[in-house]
Amino acid sequence: AQKITQTQPGMFVQEKEAVTLDCTYDTSDQSYGLFWYKQPSSGEMIFLIYQGSYDEQNATEGRYSLNFQKARKSANLVISASQLGDSAMYFCAMREGVYNFNKFYFGSGTKLNVKP
Amino acid sequence: DAMVIQNPRYQVTQFGKPVTLSCSQTLNHNVMYWYQQKSSQAPKLLFHYYDKDFNNEADTPDNFQSRRPNTSFCFLDIRSPGLGDAAMYLCATSQGLGTQYFGPGTRLTVL
Repeated sequence: AQKITQTQPGMFVQEKEAVTLDCTYDTSDQSYGLFWYKQPSSGEMIFLIYQGSYDEQNATEGRYSLNFQKARKSANLVISASQLGDSAMYFCAMREGVYNFNKFYFGSGTKLNVKP
Repeated sequence: DAMVIQNPRYQVTQFGKPVTLSCSQTLNHNVMYWYQQKSSQAPKLLFHYYDKDFNNEADTPDNFQSRRPNTSFCFLDIRSPGLGDAAMYLCATSQGLGTQYFGPGTRLTVL
């Protein structure tokens, strides 16, 4: 089974609107971490936001927030007030467990296009 | 600023000619990773070092080797590049249960 599933290969959003990028995960571990990365066309993977499995509050970083629904195993990224510079690939990732915690699993990504 | 640095940013090599990509970090993280990423795909983990312990993914071709002479540096050696090895190569680091941070990547072209 896929560890991380991103079901939206591509999305469009109008500038200044909010957008939600979906991510579901699969793990039987109680301790895990969830991450979102942005990858512009230049290729660099930029860390955006982190949510720990024991964190009770949803993580927020500026215009980014992570909608963490543990029972549903979902960790959706919400970008508020989209900007043209938000156009990029977005990857959801998970680091699971305490053992072998060095391994990160990535989803297939969502390509976001922000329209002026 | 603490960071992950990759050199060169762009590398062109010929079919079968060995090539080495380098990565350095000023974060003092104990784990370093090498990923291969092809267009519009997720990064694929090739191997990682936990301190000096080398961990190879089962499906990483023998053509790919790595060295980590010290905490700060890690190298990816491709012994005989094929056309299928053309990709973006990403180096990343992490510490403990922390976030993984990436370098800017090296885009490899094989002629």
